[in-house]
Amino acid sequence: AQRVTQPEKLLSVFKGAPVELKCNYSYSGSPELFWYVQYSRQRLQLLLRHISRESIKGFTADLNKGETSFHLKKPFAQEEDSAMYYCALWEYGNKLVFGAGTILRVKS
Amino acid sequence: DGGITQSPKYLFRKEGQNVTLSCEQNLNHDAMYWYRQDPGQGLRLIYYSQIVNDFQKGDIAEGYSVSREKKESFPLTVTSAQKNPTAFYLCASRQIIGGTGELFFGEGSRLTVL
Repeated sequence: AQRVTQPEKLLSVFKGAPVELKCNYSYSGSPELFWYVQYSRQRLQLLLRHISRESIKGFTADLNKGETSFHLKKPFAQEEDSAMYYCALWEYGNKLVFGAGTILRVKS
Repeated sequence: DGGITQSPKYLFRKEGQNVTLSCEQNLNHDAMYWYRQDPGQGLRLIYYSQIVNDFQKGDIAEGYSVSREKKESFPLTVTSAQKNPTAFYLCASRQIIGGTGELFFGEGSRLTVL
């Protein structure tokens, strides 16, 4: 079975500090990976996908096939970044498999 | 207002009763999905459908049933056979051909079994 692992349930950082949300995956094919975010009282939405190699709201994520990782990074955290973050992997193009999620709390 | 609409937002059910959650999309998306969200477990796939009149089981389909009679609608029935139905349920859709792989989500339905 394909798996997505997010080892941290909660990550708490101070405003202005760097953020790294970890995601590791296991997949036998060429992975298609995403980060989704759920802000308080809002619906789950796409943050970024590895194939586009873009930066959204200052966040970036690099696919490391050797380490099977897709960590989400931001150099300077802001209070509005506080949310639940999910890493997700398309399984053979049919099913999007999610990790358990990491709550990011940015303290002032 | 385009997007995915789930109803009801909150639902209470007595043990032994079936309940149906509605999911409608006006995005003309091919595929629709039902996920269950539990604290500490992330989102787990219940059922998905890539075309009208066809659907497949996800990872936790036991105790649930779905139908896809229309492209825009994908209702989920939580049956009395589901052992632990109290949860937050999310519906999603995506465009397959020409799409980017992005799922678009509804606001969710919270089911509580009394």
